[in-house]
Amino acid sequence: EADIYQTPRYLVIGTGKKITLECSQTMGHDKMYWYQQDPGMELHLIHYSYGVNSTEKGDLSSESTVSRIRTEHFPLTLESARPSHTSQYLCASSSPLAGLYNEQFFGPGTRLTVL
Amino acid sequence: GENVEQHPSTLSVQEGDSAVIKCTYSDSASNYFPWYKQELGKGPQLIIDIRSNVGEKKDQRIAVTLNKTAKHFSLHITETQPEDSAVYFCAASITGTASKLTFGTGTRLQVTL
Repeated sequence: EADIYQTPRYLVIGTGKKITLECSQTMGHDKMYWYQQDPGMELHLIHYSYGVNSTEKGDLSSESTVSRIRTEHFPLTLESARPSHTSQYLCASSSPLAGLYNEQFFGPGTRLTVL
Repeated sequence: GENVEQHPSTLSVQEGDSAVIKCTYSDSASNYFPWYKQELGKGPQLIIDIRSNVGEKKDQRIAVTLNKTAKHFSLHITETQPEDSAVYFCAASITGTASKLTFGTGTRLQVTL
């Protein structure tokens, strides 16, 4: 079983609030990812990191930002939440040591609702 | 970039029947094709994968096939059970340090009694 954690699991906040979604993994994986999952199920990559101090924007434009100061920690921040940010956010990690083929391990997700 | 199409978007089968989900990809350089299962309230979990040097792979009731020429791959679940009900995602990737997964749009499988 993969050891990747996300907190909080559910968050309901008002418009304009600053929020940080936490993601931690204890597997020592160098690569980490954030996906946004809409109600239609589709997974959209919004951020990824290849290691400490590395962050890249994903395929879907997002107003959120990420940081990677420690290998195990990859938080996502929204400076001013809006109703359009309402979604499920999934964090994942992977490592070449897990095989050459980029298996990703997912956390349980954070369901964000912005009122 | 890579584009992965997945069909059908929903699939309902009776318990014991087989289920087939199909995906096509666009980038002929892709060489790794995993399948993920997402149960309600959980993140996706890898259930099986196939690499481009293999045409078929089986793990108990689950099998995947890959046709590189046609650029499509399929997931086959035999003897379906209620616990197979979930959302299934296919994905494609080019392996290497810069590799990312491109996911299909998902298939919601419902196994009815």
